[in-house]
Amino acid sequence: EDKVVQSPLSLVVHEGDTVTLNCSYEVTNFRSLLWYKQEKKAPTFLFMLTSSGIEKKSGRLSSILDKKELFSILNITATQTGDSAIYLCAVEAAEYGNKLVFGAGTILRVKS
Amino acid sequence: DTGVSQDPRHKITKRGQNVTFRCDPISEHNRLYWYRQTLGQGPEFLTYFQNEAQLEKSRLLSDRFSAERPKGSFSTLEIQRTEQGDSAMYLCASSPWAGGELFFGEGSRLTVL
Repeated sequence: EDKVVQSPLSLVVHEGDTVTLNCSYEVTNFRSLLWYKQEKKAPTFLFMLTSSGIEKKSGRLSSILDKKELFSILNITATQTGDSAIYLCAVEAAEYGNKLVFGAGTILRVKS
Repeated sequence: DTGVSQDPRHKITKRGQNVTFRCDPISEHNRLYWYRQTLGQGPEFLTYFQNEAQLEKSRLLSDRFSAERPKGSFSTLEIQRTEQGDSAMYLCASSPWAGGELFFGEGSRLTVL
């Protein structure tokens, strides 16, 4: 059965800290891995990763995929209170026609 | 069209009642998905449509749950004879093609008393 495991489950940091969130997966016929940010509403898209070793960046956020070791990390540098959210990792398998299988998420709280 | 919209945003019902949620996807998105999310968990896949055809249903979707997308545009998710375990956020998402990002609505939160 396809599985996505995120760690840590929750994290509390101070503004300005750098955080690394982890996502490991087991899925047959891997197609892509996606990161979403969820505040008190709809998950919003951050990144989609399909190739190993190619970093994707958006401002203070970056992410990379390792298809050999079956994991991805999401880095947030110089954290701000607005980064407080649940960060969800999801994988898509080719036979599912972009049905996403989600991990439980990492709850990040950034204290001022 | 600014995004996926869901209605109602909140629903409180008594056990045994039927409830129906509606989802309007982004225009011209031919794929529509329903997910369920409970506290402390990521979204769990329920079902998805390509146009009006329901292509896959999760085994989580018991026979009390039914979803439709009659004209390939909006979709409804009905839960019959609700149970307390049905309390969750029901998320709808759409996408324009197979593969890639899903665009989520803000969800319909169900509380079964």
